[in-house]
Amino acid sequence: DSGVTQTPKHLITATGQRVTLRCSPRSGDLSVYWYQQSLDQGLQFLIQYYNGEERAKGNILERFSAQQFPDLHSELNLSSLELGDSALYFCASNPGQGRYEQYFGPGTRLTVT
Amino acid sequence: DQQVKQNSPSLSVQEGRISILNCDYTNSMFDYFLWYKKYPAEGPTFLISISSIKDKNEDGRFTVFLNKSAKHLSLHIVPSQPGDSAVYFCAASGAMTTDSWGKLQFGAGTQVVVTP
Repeated sequence: DSGVTQTPKHLITATGQRVTLRCSPRSGDLSVYWYQQSLDQGLQFLIQYYNGEERAKGNILERFSAQQFPDLHSELNLSSLELGDSALYFCASNPGQGRYEQYFGPGTRLTVT
Repeated sequence: DQQVKQNSPSLSVQEGRISILNCDYTNSMFDYFLWYKKYPAEGPTFLISISSIKDKNEDGRFTVFLNKSAKHLSLHIVPSQPGDSAVYFCAASGAMTTDSWGKLQFGAGTQVVVTP
């Protein structure tokens, strides 16, 4: 158990809909990262937040957005969903203090039908 | 643009023998390298890492070797155990002073199967 929690574990929705994925980082970790794992693209970095502020963006679609709240949990919002958005979405947190490793949650499997 | 490559999609090894997983990268600005292990239906689990200023890091049965001139790293698992059967990902990050810090770039993964 990495200490990072993600809900829900599974999500099935239709094209055009909007969903919210939730993540709680490990206790004390200020950084949260979101990754997408799809069959054809592998694990891809989406976005990073540090103590409530956006720090870095990867190849995140404009239909996707995220935020980190004062209690440090984060939400990833996916809108106007397409079939190609079906993937595993992972959240990770980092302990800071010069450490590079990120600890991953169990992921949310999103299926768009 | 795949900057981190794991060219072997699978590896089969007997229990007790050595598993060697390889990873190549193209970006000379990468400063830190990590290995993750992933079981089905779980998130990646951090195993071991190495900074670009070192050429070897060891933690129990796991050793990572880095050859910067060849832009190549490897993970050795000795001895291999049935519980090591999983997908192993290599990842890389830029230095903390760069824009690419924290944006882990992952390889495609290598499926390891340890047979009794």
